[in-house]
Order: sequence, then structure tokens, then C-alpha cells
Amino acid sequence: DTGVSQNPRHKITKRGQNVTFRCDPISEHNRLYWYRQTLGQGPEFLTYFQNEAQLEKSRLLSDRFSAERPKGSFSTLEIQRTEQGDSAMYLCASSGRKTGGQYFGPGTRLTVT
Amino acid sequence: AQKITQTQPGMFVQEKEAVTLDCTYDTSDPSYGLFWYKQPSSGEMIFLIYQGSYDQQNATEGRYSLNFQKARKSANLVISASQLGDSAMYFCAMREVSSGANNLFFGTGTRLTVIP
Repeated sequence: DTGVSQNPRHKITKRGQNVTFRCDPISEHNRLYWYRQTLGQGPEFLTYFQNEAQLEKSRLLSDRFSAERPKGSFSTLEIQRTEQGDSAMYLCASSGRKTGGQYFGPGTRLTVT
Repeated sequence: AQKITQTQPGMFVQEKEAVTLDCTYDTSDPSYGLFWYKQPSSGEMIFLIYQGSYDQQNATEGRYSLNFQKARKSANLVISASQLGDSAMYFCAMREVSSGANNLFFGTGTRLTVIP
């Protein structure tokens, strides 16, 4: 399978714990994006990487959120001190062309109890 | 103001019929891209079709076509010959190119149900 992969697919955590998600983009894609989707809504942009550089961050990305993309390959999204409001689907996407479609992974569903 | 508006929370279509899902957008950027994605119950967002703001012809991909009306700022998705597997959420999205932003703005989606 050469699509975008994300791990884990599901994560249940207690409030206050830290969680980390991983995204492996399509291998030839140099652009990587993180989105968050809550129930009944479309995805909302969180952050964007071109190669290893994090070039854009949404205001949604509070200081409890941090994303990295070492060596311009896979990316991780960490949420510290999780809150119940962080419960959502976290989607990763990648693209290789400036105006082409972004290809999404299956998402990581986070539930904070 | 919402950048992408999808006014149909839910739509029903008979199998083998065509259906149009509405999308209007709001931007002052002269260069932008419009996208449609399908999200089945499994949760994965599947890229369907793309239309650039300067493209002269409406985009088509198999049974999907995008009815692009620039003056009306609409980018409706037409699915022909609906199949049961088309039942899913459909999202319209936009990227503003000239601004340099790389993110997509999504609408709230339309849930399509195909009736056998």
C-alpha cells in the first residue's frame, strides 16, 4: 500500500496525559499537512510542512500541540496535557504538486476521557 | 464569512440516477483551487476531483464532474449513474493559491444516501 498511513488508528487517553500520533506520507510527496475533524464538521487545518520545515501553523494549534517532521519523511503530532475538547479525528495528508489534491490518511481517532 | 458553503446536509438519490451536490465559495484570491472529497463511514478522505480557477473547462473524472460557475462562485459536484457505494459524506474544499497558503478550507459536508 503506497498511500498515506497513520498510527495508531484509535487512541483513548485520560485527561492530562500526553499522546503522540504518527503519519507516513506518500513517499514522493514533500508536502505534509495535519487537520482535525470533529463530529459533523469538515476538517480544519492545523499545520503544514514542506520537507522538514514547518511553514504554517493554524491558530487552532495551541501551545499544547507540537508537530515535527524530522528528515522530511514521517511526521509526528504530539498533544500535551490532553483535554476533553481535544477529542477528534486527526487527519494527515500529503501532496507533491503545488495545486494538486491532498491525499489523506485514514486518520487517528482520539478520545479523551 | 465561511469560505466554503454546502447548504445540503443530506441528499438522497435513486441508484443509477444522477445527483448534484452544491458548493459555493467565497474568496478574493484570483487564483484558487477547488476540490471534492468523499468520506465513507470508515473515515478516510478520498480525493475525487480538482478544478483550478483558471481552467477553461469543467473537470471530469469518470462518473464525477465539477460544474464550475466562476461568476456565481459555485463548484457543484455531479455524480452520474449513482451506485450504492457512493453513499458517504462529501466535502467541498478550496485552496487560495495567490495568498501562498497551502491549507484547504472545507465545508460542512453533504451526506449522500443512494437508495437501491
